[in-house]
Amino acid sequence: DAGVTQSPTHLIKTRGQQVTLRCSPKSGHDTVSWYQQALGQGPQFIFQYYEEEERQRGNFPDRFSGHQFPNYSSELNVNALLLGDSALYLCASRLQGVTNYGYTFGSGTRLTVV
Amino acid sequence: GDSVTQMEGPVTLSEEAFLTINCTYTATGYPSLFWYVQYPGEGLQLLLKATKADDKGSNKGFEATYRKETTSFHLEKGSVQVSDSAVYFCAVNTNAGKSTFGDGTTLTVKP
Repeated sequence: DAGVTQSPTHLIKTRGQQVTLRCSPKSGHDTVSWYQQALGQGPQFIFQYYEEEERQRGNFPDRFSGHQFPNYSSELNVNALLLGDSALYLCASRLQGVTNYGYTFGSGTRLTVV
Repeated sequence: GDSVTQMEGPVTLSEEAFLTINCTYTATGYPSLFWYVQYPGEGLQLLLKATKADDKGSNKGFEATYRKETTSFHLEKGSVQVSDSAVYFCAVNTNAGKSTFGDGTTLTVKP
């Protein structure tokens, strides 16, 4: 049973460009959350998707947007990249309504903005 | 909003030493509490959890007890191994399902 898969694993982009990161949730999970983890820090919540809608959002600018597809997979888009967007981006999935089992995390996409 | 404060690291121990990593939280309602572990180059793995006051979560020799009166969820292990070297994150989930993480504590265990 595959867990959460993310692609690509590493990415280098130039300041001002746009990037799309992808995530397939664990089989049976329908809720996907995205986190940004800067070096040496804990993950920061970006947003959560369920039933193809953004349900919650953290303190991130509108440059960060997402999408969830009917098969529950998800994309994270970041426009007008800044150097400060360099981080590990983690996707996490769970089953909606089951908040006390924690999340299953992917291995992340390492984004470097130069 | 919710917040999690973890004991600052890094923590360096000798093999078979006792481990404590402190975690306190601020959250509304009745949160669930978690410890995650992150090995180099990997995502987070759920280590253990507790969903109500006085619950004890345990896994792989690690334990943590949900203390509502002190809003704490300290991680302990009686005898650490070199393979336990990793970064440990405390997290709180509210009823809305969003997880708030601490900044992590790096543990290094020396043979």
